[in-house]
Amino acid sequence: GDSVTQMEGPVTLSEEAFLTINCTYTATGYPSLFWYVQYPGEGLQLLLKATKADDKGSNKGFEATYRKETTSFHLEKGSVQVSDSAVYFCALNFNKFYFGSGTKLNVKP
Amino acid sequence: GAGVSQSPRYKVAKRGQDVALRCDPISGHVSLFWYQQALGQGPEFLTYFQNEAQLDKSGLPSDRFFAERPEGSVSTLKIQRTQQEDSAVYLCASSERTGTFNQPQHFGDGTRLSIL
Repeated sequence: GDSVTQMEGPVTLSEEAFLTINCTYTATGYPSLFWYVQYPGEGLQLLLKATKADDKGSNKGFEATYRKETTSFHLEKGSVQVSDSAVYFCALNFNKFYFGSGTKLNVKP
Repeated sequence: GAGVSQSPRYKVAKRGQDVALRCDPISGHVSLFWYQQALGQGPEFLTYFQNEAQLDKSGLPSDRFFAERPEGSVSTLKIQRTQQEDSAVYLCASSERTGTFNQPQHFGDGTRLSIL
């Protein structure tokens, strides 16, 4: 069945460090891929998306590229800020949404 | 504009009680989804409505779970005879068009349900 696997957290970085959160997927078709972010006590917010192979989604300095050959959608940011501290969820959408288990990011000043 | 609104934000119930959770989607959104999010996990799909029609309820864990959206707007998720394993955050999401493919979903802040 369809599924998403994310790297386990927490990930702890210093401000201005480079961020990578790995995400791989398994799908029977050709899904759309998403990254959502969840701040404490809040619901999920869409961060970025990509709808087909080789698409790059980007928002607020975050980027992810839909890699069909490696079935991956890794999230990257060149310079993280304290305000980026949150839980990040990778998700695929074909007939329904499947979410990864989330990766908690802690950014220290 | 207003986002997806869920109420109550927190609900504590004793085992065996019935609970009802409410979701107000973004106005005009056709599709509505319910998810269950256990602590430290990602959301897991429960059910999907297109307007008032419940098109997919494959994720409902048991017949104690029931969802409705009678007028194609507000939705209620009801859990009967609650059990401790029902403790979780219940998230509601809506999207603008029909179908689920390729559309981002807009999430509410969730209802945290604790069963004692």
